[in-house]
Amino acid sequence: SAVISQKPSRDICQRGTSLTIQCQVDSQVTMMFWYRQQPGQSLTLIATANQGSEATYESGFVIDKFPISRPNLTFSTLTVSNMSPEDSSIYLCSVEESLRNYGYTFGSGTRLTVV
Amino acid sequence: KQEVTQIPAALSVPEGENLVLNCSFTDSAIYNLQWFRQDPGKGLTSLLLIQSSQREQTSGRLNASLDKSSGRSTLYIAASQPGDSATYLCAVSPNDYKLSFGAGTTVTVRA
Repeated sequence: SAVISQKPSRDICQRGTSLTIQCQVDSQVTMMFWYRQQPGQSLTLIATANQGSEATYESGFVIDKFPISRPNLTFSTLTVSNMSPEDSSIYLCSVEESLRNYGYTFGSGTRLTVV
Repeated sequence: KQEVTQIPAALSVPEGENLVLNCSFTDSAIYNLQWFRQDPGKGLTSLLLIQSSQREQTSGRLNASLDKSSGRSTLYIAASQPGDSATYLCAVSPNDYKLSFGAGTTVTVRA
């Protein structure tokens, strides 16, 4: 399956600032996904990122708060903007490889704490 | 809207016991079902992928079954070890790539 390198692994940020999370995949993939996992909760899809087009956001998530870039088929970034303590979560990127029978592969996650 | 439920929410067993984790989903129109493991504060590791046409998948001590018509999957872990302690997540995939996750079962294997 694809190998995803996600950075940073964790960060503690001041409220009102922004953090950009990067995911690098070792193979070309059409679709990349960004998820949020709030403390004690399961995963919620933030948006789907396709190369060459704007990301598609799920209900409750907006581009101004979570801008996403997808400059090529192996890389994507998610920015968490104007952070508040409620943004403290684990953020994960994922790729889908059903054609190779691997299903979904996830990055190692970014553990964000906003103080 | 797809709803995924995992029972039990938590499980504590002595080392060597077999584990049985249950997952149910409300919409049987799925593309595949995947079981993941998550260690505290970490990302997800894929354990088993079951395509909608399959009944089960096996990998080492892990076996997962799928009954699509009744909306159920079960993950069996044989001869549990302390290293199996983690949260196990079930996720179903429809055709639009939007994974739906259960809340997970947190497993503790006591040495």
